[in-house]
Amino acid sequence: DAGVTQSPTHLIKTRGQQVTLRCSPKSGHDTVSWYQQALGQGPQFIFQYYEEEERQRGNFPDRFSGHQFPNYSSELNVNALLLGDSALYLCASSLPGDGYEQYFGPGTRLTVT
Amino acid sequence: ILNVEQSPQSLHVQEGDSTNFTCSFPSSNFYALHWYRWETAKSPEALFVMTLNGDEKKKGRISATLNTKEGYSYLYIKGSQPEDSATYLCASSGGGADGLTFGKGTHLIIQP
Repeated sequence: DAGVTQSPTHLIKTRGQQVTLRCSPKSGHDTVSWYQQALGQGPQFIFQYYEEEERQRGNFPDRFSGHQFPNYSSELNVNALLLGDSALYLCASSLPGDGYEQYFGPGTRLTVT
Repeated sequence: ILNVEQSPQSLHVQEGDSTNFTCSFPSSNFYALHWYRWETAKSPEALFVMTLNGDEKKKGRISATLNTKEGYSYLYIKGSQPEDSATYLCASSGGGADGLTFGKGTHLIIQP
């Protein structure tokens, strides 16, 4: 049973560019959450997708957007990249009713130069 | 307490010794407290999810307690082993569909 997978592993972008990160949830999970972990900080909640809609959002600007597909996989898009967007982006999947235990992928390391 | 706070930030423990660390969280609007173990270059691994005041959970040599009235949780490791070296994250959620609010983690190093 594959766990949560994310791609790519690493990514280098230039300020002002746009980036798309991808996540496949654990088999049977239908809810996907995205987190940003900046250096020296704990992961910060970006947003959560359920039934192909954004269900909840953390304190992140509109430059951060997402999408969930019918197979429950998800994308995180960041527009107009800033140096401060350099971070590890984690995806987590969960199944409502399972205590909302969230299973995490290994993350995508984004570097903005 | 407005944020989730963990202490200490880092900890060096001799192999075989027992240790514990703390997570403080807002006691209002509380739904669940999560503990994760995160080894470098791997995915964070869920250890415990606790919801009830007084909850105690155990997995092998690792156990956790929860006090929702005063807003804290302890994680205990008995007889530390080198493979216990990792960052331990705690996170709280205010509702079943809420995102998790994480602390900065406790970085544990077990010295042989």
